[in-house]
Amino acid sequence: AQSVTQLDSQVPVFEEAPVELRCNYSSSVSVYLFWYVQYPNQGLQLLLKYLSGSTLVKSINGFEAEFNKSQTSFHLRKPSVHISDTAEYFCAVTIPGAQKLVFGQGTRLTINP
Amino acid sequence: EAGVAQSPRYKIIEKRQSVAFWCNPISGHATLYWYQQILGQGPKLLIQFQNNGVVDDSQLPKDRFSAERLKGVDSTLKIQPAKLEDSAVYLCASSLTNADTQYFGPGTRLTVL
Repeated sequence: AQSVTQLDSQVPVFEEAPVELRCNYSSSVSVYLFWYVQYPNQGLQLLLKYLSGSTLVKSINGFEAEFNKSQTSFHLRKPSVHISDTAEYFCAVTIPGAQKLVFGQGTRLTINP
Repeated sequence: EAGVAQSPRYKIIEKRQSVAFWCNPISGHATLYWYQQILGQGPKLLIQFQNNGVVDDSQLPKDRFSAERLKGVDSTLKIQPAKLEDSAVYLCASSLTNADTQYFGPGTRLTVL
């Protein structure tokens, strides 16, 4: 079975500072990896995903994540955060073809002015 | 394109009462999912439908939870009777097929007193 660990439950940063949200996974087979974002009082939205190919994937709003197979990690980064990035971020894993998403516990990102 | 719709958005009931949630997926999406998100945790898959058939209900507490998708479109999730530990946000998601990105609705926040 697959599992996901998000190492930080809360991450406070100042506006325009860089941020990294950590995600590690466990699986005995190849996986697909996802980051979802949940803004206050809204549903989850897909931020970015890794299926195959380039290990560095990017979102349209400046986030990026790198798949590291040897370290079983898929950390999310942004070089300069904005107040509007305040949200909860969830890392998720699935097996190709299974489509059953297994989510981590979530990391609450708080941006201070 | 309209997103996944859910109702009600909020529900407060007393333990041992019954409750039902409704989900209308994105038009044309064959796969529908119900997740339970307990405060401070990531979403956990309860049941997955492919059209009107159940693909995975291994984590659905079948003694009190039931779900149906009779015509392969809308779905309802029912809890009868509710327990205090059922307090959570219930998320519905849909995808075009079981190999595509899942799109989430805003969720129903259930409070059991």
